[in-house]
Amino acid sequence: DTGVSQNPRHKITKRGQNVTFRCDPISEHNRLYWYRQTLGQGPEFLTYFQNEAQLEKSRLLSDRFSAERPKGSFSTLEIQRTEQGDSAMYLCASSLARRPGELFFGEGSRLTVL
Amino acid sequence: AQKVTQAQTEISVVEKEDVTLDCVYETRDTTYYLFWYKQPPSGELVFLIRRNSFDEQNEISGRYSWNFQKSTSSFNFTITASQVVDSAVYFCALRSGGGADGLTFGKGTHLIIQP
Repeated sequence: DTGVSQNPRHKITKRGQNVTFRCDPISEHNRLYWYRQTLGQGPEFLTYFQNEAQLEKSRLLSDRFSAERPKGSFSTLEIQRTEQGDSAMYLCASSLARRPGELFFGEGSRLTVL
Repeated sequence: AQKVTQAQTEISVVEKEDVTLDCVYETRDTTYYLFWYKQPPSGELVFLIRRNSFDEQNEISGRYSWNFQKSTSSFNFTITASQVVDSAVYFCALRSGGGADGLTFGKGTHLIIQP
């Protein structure tokens, strides 16, 4: 499988717990993005990396959220002290820097906070 | 601030009809990019097209065509002779031409093609 891979696909957690999602991008893509999507809405940009550098963060990314891409390959998105409002689909996408905006998305990780 | 408006929440047509999905955008940038993405029932977003703000030529790809008009800040998407497989949520998106790389998506239009 050469597409963008995300896991876990589903996560149910209790409020206050920490969760971590992982994304494995397409191997030759140097840009990696995280988006959040809630029901009936379009994806909302959270952050992106070029190689291992985090170049942009949305104001939506509160200090409870942290993302890393330590070796410029896979990335993790951690949410600390989850709140019910964090319930959403977290989407990862990757792209080539020379083709901005042409994103290849994964299937997403659905978070439910009880 | 950038904004993308897709006023049509849901459209339902019978197979083989033509259908147009509307997209209106707002930006202060002189250079920007516009996109359409498709999200089928399986959930994975699929890139369809990118246009830059300097290129107002319409584009056709098979049954799909796109009409970009800067004068009305619109980037509409037409499917000719629709098929059941076209059923999906379609998103229009906008990206700044300089600096910021994140896409601003509209809320999407749910297209239902009935057999």
